[in-house]
Amino acid sequence: GAVVSQHPSWVICKSGTSVKIECRSLDFQATTMFWYRQFPKQSLMLMATSNEGSKATYEQGVEKDKFLINHASLTLSTLTVTSAHPEDSSFYICSARDRSSGGDEQFFGPGTRLTVL
Amino acid sequence: AQSVSQHNHHVILSEAASLELGCNYSYGGTVNLFWYVQYPGQHLQLLLKYFSGDPLVKGIKGFEAEFIKSKFSFNLRKPSVQWSDTAEYFCAVIRPNDYKLSFGAGTTVTVRA
Repeated sequence: GAVVSQHPSWVICKSGTSVKIECRSLDFQATTMFWYRQFPKQSLMLMATSNEGSKATYEQGVEKDKFLINHASLTLSTLTVTSAHPEDSSFYICSARDRSSGGDEQFFGPGTRLTVL
Repeated sequence: AQSVSQHNHHVILSEAASLELGCNYSYGGTVNLFWYVQYPGQHLQLLLKYFSGDPLVKGIKGFEAEFIKSKFSFNLRKPSVQWSDTAEYFCAVIRPNDYKLSFGAGTTVTVRA
């Protein structure tokens, strides 16, 4: 099946710094990638939709200047958490839609655990 | 906006017991439906999906789900669970051409040996 990777798998940073998380589709091309946030014991909340070659679309309540998304190629999307604060600590998960499949299935990455001190 | 409701937050059962997890959605149009599983420390994996056709869908690891359009439901079942089925289970709904998955709150399933 389609494989999606994320890097890093976990990161600890100081408050005020920026952190970049990468999401890669390893064996397929993804015109659309999605970024989710998952708090402990809670469900995944969609943050934004990342479209290759165009600006990301953000869900209501998500600060686009704080969560910068870049989808520069068909296999890579990045999420940068700018000026991170402890409340940004969370599990960030990306998914990718395989455009060749013609369906609506998304393939999920393993997630990145962000801890802001 | 569509929402997805999962009836149980935490289910505890013994090995060989039958499992049924409820899922209802509120969107009235055509939808595609999914069940994902997240084993401890692992990423989300697709258990099964329904796009069209036979409303009884069979997935991996002995799981199945039934789409009942009149009830806006997509319940997950397994006749006999194993200890290895201990995981978090998420129901998700998507509208075709929208591509945005809406997830339920998840159900934690704990299977005791």
